[in-house]
Amino acid sequence: EIVLTQSPATLSLSPGERAALSCRASQTISTYLAWYQQKRGQAPRLLIYDASTRATGIPARFSGGGSGTDFTLTISSLEPEDFAVYYCQQRYNWPLTFGGGTKVEIK
Amino acid sequence: EVQLVESGGGLVQPGGSLRVSCAASGFTFSSYWMSWVRQAPGKGLEWVANIKEDGSAKHYVDSVKGRFTISRDNGKNSLHLQMNSLRAEDTALYYCARSLSGYANWFDPWGQGTLVTVSS
Repeated sequence: EIVLTQSPATLSLSPGERAALSCRASQTISTYLAWYQQKRGQAPRLLIYDASTRATGIPARFSGGGSGTDFTLTISSLEPEDFAVYYCQQRYNWPLTFGGGTKVEIK
Repeated sequence: EVQLVESGGGLVQPGGSLRVSCAASGFTFSSYWMSWVRQAPGKGLEWVANIKEDGSAKHYVDSVKGRFTISRDNGKNSLHLQMNSLRAEDTALYYCARSLSGYANWFDPWGQGTLVTVSS
């Protein structure tokens, strides 16, 4: 099973600041990585797939990068609605696995 | 508009069974892989199972193999998860999720979930 480790667990930032979230895979997964956003009380929403492709309707301030074992989700300038929990997920092999999540909270 | 509406959750005793369902609308259901993903209270996401467009392939996380069965009815645009021999650790919000168009194992969109509680 591929383990995805997200860091930090919590990121305390102010609106307008840049957020950089990390996801590290226990073995190489090429670019078979996605990022999801989950707001309190809501279902997750796909943000990025194939490591760097934004899903439909996702603002340009969200960007993804990386390949192999190290990946990053960057939010260039935090908007109030961006404070949420973010999960990475791999589809390189079975079972599909998620990281433990990074909570982006208001400082 | 794509909609996924889960139902069938509830309280069940350990060792019991439950069937949760997902009603899909707004897209050609038979053209997409479908998945179940769960989230224990206050915890992260865990993929549970998925099923190919025509039902000919199914995959499960090890912890539910032999206990859970995923199925679909393309004529009724519905997805199901039959859960047997339920354990306390199966307590979670169960989400139905469609695959991203052209990509079997990215999840987009998700339903709002149905809560399954396993407790005596």
